[in-house]
Amino acid sequence: QVQLVESGGGVVQPGRSLRLSCAASGFTFSSYGMHWVRQAPGKGLEWVAVIWYDGSNKYYADSVKGRFTISRDNSKNTLYLQMNSLRAEDTAVYYCARDRRALRGPIIEYYFDYWGQGTLVTVSS
Amino acid sequence: EIVLTQSPGTLSLSPGERATLSCRASQSVSSSYLAWYQQKPGQAPRLLIYGASSRATGIPDRFSGSGSGTDFTLTISRLEPEDFAVYYCQQYGSSSWTFGQGTKVEIK
Repeated sequence: QVQLVESGGGVVQPGRSLRLSCAASGFTFSSYGMHWVRQAPGKGLEWVAVIWYDGSNKYYADSVKGRFTISRDNSKNTLYLQMNSLRAEDTAVYYCARDRRALRGPIIEYYFDYWGQGTLVTVSS
Repeated sequence: EIVLTQSPGTLSLSPGERATLSCRASQSVSSSYLAWYQQKPGQAPRLLIYGASSRATGIPDRFSGSGSGTDFTLTISRLEPEDFAVYYCQQYGSSSWTFGQGTKVEIK
């Protein structure tokens, strides 16, 4: 069965860096795009970044552009999020999610079909 | 960027009642790009509906989605105890994704 397991969260001081990992299993990782989504305490979901199945394209939310970098290692079935220049407002649970693009006739449907359980990042001095 | 506004913020209902959740987009969204998720406390979101109206695998048929353009609806025909949760709509556009702020369905 599909499993996504995040790790690497913790407490970090403002301005410092942290790298999150998402270990994937139960599917052909190299065939799927992957996302990071975050959720600040008591708040809603915020999309953070996406990477294409082969790493050829990456897109970011404006709130993290220039500070965060999404990457993947298909040989290790692992997704990463390098977070630099962290701010208090980056405090959140970070989820990885699988990108799904399902073809229905001439139409492609976009959604996230599997999610990890999340890892908490706390930015505080 | 397309903004999704969900209403109401909180819906207080009893088990067995019908729940109607709204998701309004700031500009037209392709139905193919509209999804709904359920999130329970301490858990990851779970896909319910994609393509505005298709149920994900394993989702009971009491959940249904409808709508087009800027107005989309998630309906739970008869609330079961396990349905009390927060629900989010999501859309894709121009290589970015956005979520609504969520609707909490709570026990009355």
